[in-house]
Amino acid sequence: GDSVTQMEGPVTLSEEAFLTINCTYTATGYPSLFWYVQYPGEGLQLLLKATKADDKGSNKGFEATYRKETTSFHLEKGSVQVSDSAVYFCALNTGNQFYFGTGTSLTVIP
Amino acid sequence: DTGVSQNPRHKITKRGQNVTFRCDPISEHNRLYWYRQTLGQGPEFLTYFQNEAQLEKSRLLSDRFSAERPKGSFSTLEIQRTEQGDSAMYLCASSLNAGASEKLFFGSGTQLSVL
Repeated sequence: GDSVTQMEGPVTLSEEAFLTINCTYTATGYPSLFWYVQYPGEGLQLLLKATKADDKGSNKGFEATYRKETTSFHLEKGSVQVSDSAVYFCALNTGNQFYFGTGTSLTVIP
Repeated sequence: DTGVSQNPRHKITKRGQNVTFRCDPISEHNRLYWYRQTLGQGPEFLTYFQNEAQLEKSRLLSDRFSAERPKGSFSTLEIQRTEQGDSAMYLCASSLNAGASEKLFFGSGTQLSVL
């Protein structure tokens, strides 16, 4: 069935370090792909999305590229900040339903 | 746009009791979803509505769970005869457009603790 597999955490980085969180997916058809972020004590918020192969989603310095050949949608940021500390969820939408990964907790230390 | 609102934020109940949660979606959104999230896991799909019609329910959803969206606006999720395994965060999300452009907007959730 359709699913998302995320890199397990937790991830701890120093401020200004480079971030990669891996995400791969399994889906029939052509899903849309998403990254959601959950800050402490808050609900999930959409961070970025891509709706077709080779699309790049970007927001707040984060980027992810929809790679159909490797069925991946890895999240990257060149220089993380303390305020980026949160849990990040990869997700896909088949048109009928959203499927979420298990989440990757990121802590950025000064 | 006041966002998706969920009430209550926290609910503590004894095993065997019934509980009901409410979700108020963003006003013009026609789709409404319920998810369950446990610690260290991602949101798990429970059910969704298109306007007032419940279009899909998870096969994992026990018959103790029921959801309604009577006028296509707010929704309620009821759990009857609660069990300790029902303890989780219950999330509501809404969206405007189906298909590739669909984006979910989440509420802050209702944390259920069954003692």
